[in-house]
Amino acid sequence: QVQLQESGPGLVKPSETLSLTCTVSGGSISSYYWSWIRQPAGKGLEWIGRIYTSGSTNYNPSLKSRVTMSVDTSKNQFSLKLSSVTAADTAVYYCAGPVGWGQGTLVTVSS
Amino acid sequence: DIQMTQSPSSLSASVGDRVTITCQASQDISNYLNWYQQKPGKAPKLLIYDASNLETGVPSRFSGSGSGTDFTFTISSLQPEDIATYYCQQYDNLLTFGPGTKVDIK
Repeated sequence: QVQLQESGPGLVKPSETLSLTCTVSGGSISSYYWSWIRQPAGKGLEWIGRIYTSGSTNYNPSLKSRVTMSVDTSKNQFSLKLSSVTAADTAVYYCAGPVGWGQGTLVTVSS
Repeated sequence: DIQMTQSPSSLSASVGDRVTITCQASQDISNYLNWYQQKPGKAPKLLIYDASNLETGVPSRFSGSGSGTDFTFTISSLQPEDIATYYCQQYDNLLTFGPGTKVDIK
């Protein structure tokens, strides 16, 4: 059974860069689109962007200037970097793919 | 950008009731629409893909219909375990989620 697991710091300072990694286990990461989605407390879902295993990316236009995604097929991982974070970036961050979603990880932006 | 709207934003219904949620896209998305269920503290779970196809293992009381810009999600007989927030999501052009519909028991 394929599982996704997010990892990364739970606390990031304002103006710094949020970095998260999603590890895919139980199956290959190859030949699919993999996405990042976030959800502020009590609010709806916001798609951040996606990466294909070739490295091709698509980003939400509202976040595009601050987002970078990458993939490491040798480690079955893909990653998210969000720069210049503010309190508005505090949210549960999910990674997702064709076989499901990770459990989510809370990232808080605070000094 | 494709915008998604959902109505209602919340509803209360009795066990056994038929529940209907609508989702509208700002432009034609063909049938490129998913419906997700999210329970508190959990990741969303895919219920319906391609507007009307039931994901494997999902109870048959859930169904979806529509194409173009107007879509409907139905729970034919509401069960206590269906208490959740439901989201539509388009994937015709990038991905966009609707704002969600919170369903609870009356």
